[in-house]
Amino acid sequence: GEDVEQSLFLSVREGDSSVINCTYTDSSSTYLYWYKQEPGAGLQLLTYIFSNMDMKQDQRLTVLLNKKDKHLSLRIADTQTGDSAIYFCAERRGSARQLTFGSGTQLTVLP
Amino acid sequence: DAGVIQSPRHEVTEMGQEVTLRCKPISGHNSLFWYRQTMMRGLELLIYFNNNVPIDDSGMPEDRFSAKMPNASFSTLKIQPSEPRDSAVYFCASSSHSGNTIYFGEGSWLTVV
Repeated sequence: GEDVEQSLFLSVREGDSSVINCTYTDSSSTYLYWYKQEPGAGLQLLTYIFSNMDMKQDQRLTVLLNKKDKHLSLRIADTQTGDSAIYFCAERRGSARQLTFGSGTQLTVLP
Repeated sequence: DAGVIQSPRHEVTEMGQEVTLRCKPISGHNSLFWYRQTMMRGLELLIYFNNNVPIDDSGMPEDRFSAKMPNASFSTLKIQPSEPRDSAVYFCASSSHSGNTIYFGEGSWLTVV
């Protein structure tokens, strides 16, 4: 996933908001995704956004997309210990069906 | 819906042995993907099928790896002979015709000793 970049680690206090950032390089990206991976588990699709949108909200999750800067973020409100996991950003380019993933951000929620 | 089903969940095998990983996509989905996850390289696409036909296998590491999709509800990823560097988590994923959402299985955790 060298074309999709994420910071490796993020720590937040329980109850605070978490913001996980992602940058991508392909301007033809049509959809951008956030997946969550808990230890020993598969990838859980959290949400996705179409490239002509700039924001999508789903309960505690808010996705912001800045297409000009090719920047995507995932905000988790009222972060809980159960949110501790690795979060992957992924892009779908043009007409391709496969996804290209970032390296993942390890979110640690401190009590 | 049962989701994407993979087997085995865990496998430990000796170097040189053949390994076969299996995947059942979500019913009605017509695209199937095999990804590999390692600490060093993250998530890499190995191959994907559309309507049971391999479309892009450029991510398959070498001839030791092969994948088949004999029908819409079953796919295999085979490694023969296996090597320690093949140790990884192998994920299968599927999507529907529109392709907006791609769902992953729980993965097959392979250790080659």
